[in-house]
Amino acid sequence: KNEVEQSPQNLTAQEGEFITINCSYSVGISALHWLQQHPGGGIVSLFMLSSGKKKHGRLIATINIQEKHSSLHITASHPRDSAVYICAGASGAGSYQLTFGKGTKLSVIP
Amino acid sequence: KAGVTQTPRYLIKTRGQQVTLSCSPISGHRSVSWYQQTPGQGLQFLFEYFSETQRNKGNFPGRFSGRQFSNSRSEMNVSTLELGDSALYLCASSLATGAETQYFGPGTRLLVL
Repeated sequence: KNEVEQSPQNLTAQEGEFITINCSYSVGISALHWLQQHPGGGIVSLFMLSSGKKKHGRLIATINIQEKHSSLHITASHPRDSAVYICAGASGAGSYQLTFGKGTKLSVIP
Repeated sequence: KAGVTQTPRYLIKTRGQQVTLSCSPISGHRSVSWYQQTPGQGLQFLFEYFSETQRNKGNFPGRFSGRQFSNSRSEMNVSTLELGDSALYLCASSLATGAETQYFGPGTRLLVL
């Protein structure tokens, strides 16, 4: 059974801080997705990773396949980054059959 | 380009009834996936469709079914509703299976009384 563990569950940061959210996953997961969910439910897909590192604006995602671990970093955090961040593992190549972590609720205080 | 649309946005049903939810993907997208989100279980995968074929199904009872039409629009059906089916049902579309980015709809919030 595929599993995805996320930490921390809750995170409060001051505006401008560097933020890291961690995700560990089990054997059988071939790609890792990072999602952002805003209050009200809307979900935005941030990254899909199967190796290496990706960057988009202030967001950076990395994955270590040997350690089965991925991190999402936010540089120069801003209150608009406040959301729930969810990592999800894809069980097969080219599949959206995802196993989701429980999410990290991030609050960035001005 | 219009985003992913889901109808209805809100729905109230009673136990034992059935419900059909609809998802219209972004124009040109052929892959549609469905997910259920509840406070207790979080997000869970329901189905994945590509070109009218169900590629994968999550660990849900047979009361949950779905289909995709030739225009890529998708529907999911839940029969004999139970209280525990109350959830936010999300669909997401992408150009192809395994494409880098999925685009999520706003969801249908179902309440079963």
